[in-house]
Amino acid sequence: DAGITQSPRHKVTETGTPVTLRCHQTENHRYMYWYRQDPGHGLRLIHYSYGVKDTDKGEVSDGYSVSRSKTEDFLLTLESATSSQTSVYFCATGQGMGEQYFGPGTRLTVT
Amino acid sequence: GQQVMQIPQYQHVQEGEDFTTYCNSSTTLSNIQWYKQRPGGHPVFLIQLVKSGEVKKQKRLTFQFGEAKKNSSLHITATQTTDVGTYFCAGQGTAGNKLTFGGGTRVLVKP
Repeated sequence: DAGITQSPRHKVTETGTPVTLRCHQTENHRYMYWYRQDPGHGLRLIHYSYGVKDTDKGEVSDGYSVSRSKTEDFLLTLESATSSQTSVYFCATGQGMGEQYFGPGTRLTVT
Repeated sequence: GQQVMQIPQYQHVQEGEDFTTYCNSSTTLSNIQWYKQRPGGHPVFLIQLVKSGEVKKQKRLTFQFGEAKKNSSLHITATQTTDVGTYFCAGQGTAGNKLTFGGGTRVLVKP
């Protein structure tokens, strides 16, 4: 597996609080992605990055923001967490048109 | 936007039997990828198909890409307990570097 780590791996937070999830890679891949996984929905793209400080929205970006100040780090922020954002969040990296490598995931519960 | 549908959602298979999962895109794809996710794990890349009508094999797994590059299938022969997991197809459009995932086929094997 590519060197992708996510932190935290588990988090419980209250509605209305800000939350930041971190993805770190050691593969120097240009592209980084944030997905959420919910039963019956597969993996849905939240945001992605195609370079340092270059990001774009995915299909479910409302309520989320991202930042990439270094090649190896991609942060996902929930400005004000809601219960609908309870999910498993996966970070992935890749070189563009080929395969993506996924991190171990973060299980987020918003109470 | 691009949509990828996958059927069936669940597949109960007797050990030793064959099964097929199908994937259909609403738009023509640049390529299609298949991933496997074991229970509690993260998606892991299996294969990428690029050419119209392409067929690739990995041991007991056979992957096909349709002539119109809008559909794909995964056929597993002689299912084993190690095949348990969720299989996702993911389509990459011609315009960008994003993947659109199908909802997945969850495979359960009866010994």
